[in-house]
Amino acid sequence: GAVVSQHPSWVICKSGTSVKIECRSLDFQATTMFWYRQFPKQSLMLMATSNEGSKATYEQGVEKDKFLINHASLTLSTLTVTSAHPEDSSFYICSARDQGYSYEQYFGPGTRLTVT
Amino acid sequence: GNSVTQMEGPVTLSEEAFLTINCTYTATGYPSLFWYVQYPGEGLQLLLKATKADDKGSNKGFEATYRKETTSFHLEKGSVQVSDSAVYFCAPGIQGAQKLVFGQGTRLTINP
Repeated sequence: GAVVSQHPSWVICKSGTSVKIECRSLDFQATTMFWYRQFPKQSLMLMATSNEGSKATYEQGVEKDKFLINHASLTLSTLTVTSAHPEDSSFYICSARDQGYSYEQYFGPGTRLTVT
Repeated sequence: GNSVTQMEGPVTLSEEAFLTINCTYTATGYPSLFWYVQYPGEGLQLLLKATKADDKGSNKGFEATYRKETTSFHLEKGSVQVSDSAVYFCAPGIQGAQKLVFGQGTRLTINP
């Protein structure tokens, strides 16, 4: 149980275009989902916390107009990287928190974004 | 603020060796503590957790004890296997914020 999927697993886009990444909880309802960014050989950097039906809360230094997050249902959150630039190339990981637990998060497999 | 310090890697051991990966944290209150593992090419998986002082989390031969007095949650395994090669992340919860803060990760390589 507690499976989180992400789609796509990798994507290449041209500079200036937008790309959407989906995060789904497959077998549980997730009132809260998180979006992270992971640089090579580095830790996870929390970008934002997404609560179903409300606006996402962004961490300091993360541009909310650039990284649009929508949490439309208890099983789906999306991250849209708008007007992507090469410096946005990274590994994006989502996680979901089961309603019944305070801190435990279940992670998706990640999406590798390359902006050319 | 909340922070976590993990043993710097990479760590390379021979099969059947004893493993310790140190983790200390600073946090308000008494957060739940987690170890996550990231195998090559995969997403993070919860390895074990402890929710209160003196709790011991265990899974797949790994153990970690919640030490309130030293604010530590060191990961140990008595006999590592090649399949344990991965990156390990210590992650205390931020009390009240429902978030996790991740250590820098420790890359572990086990040689046969």
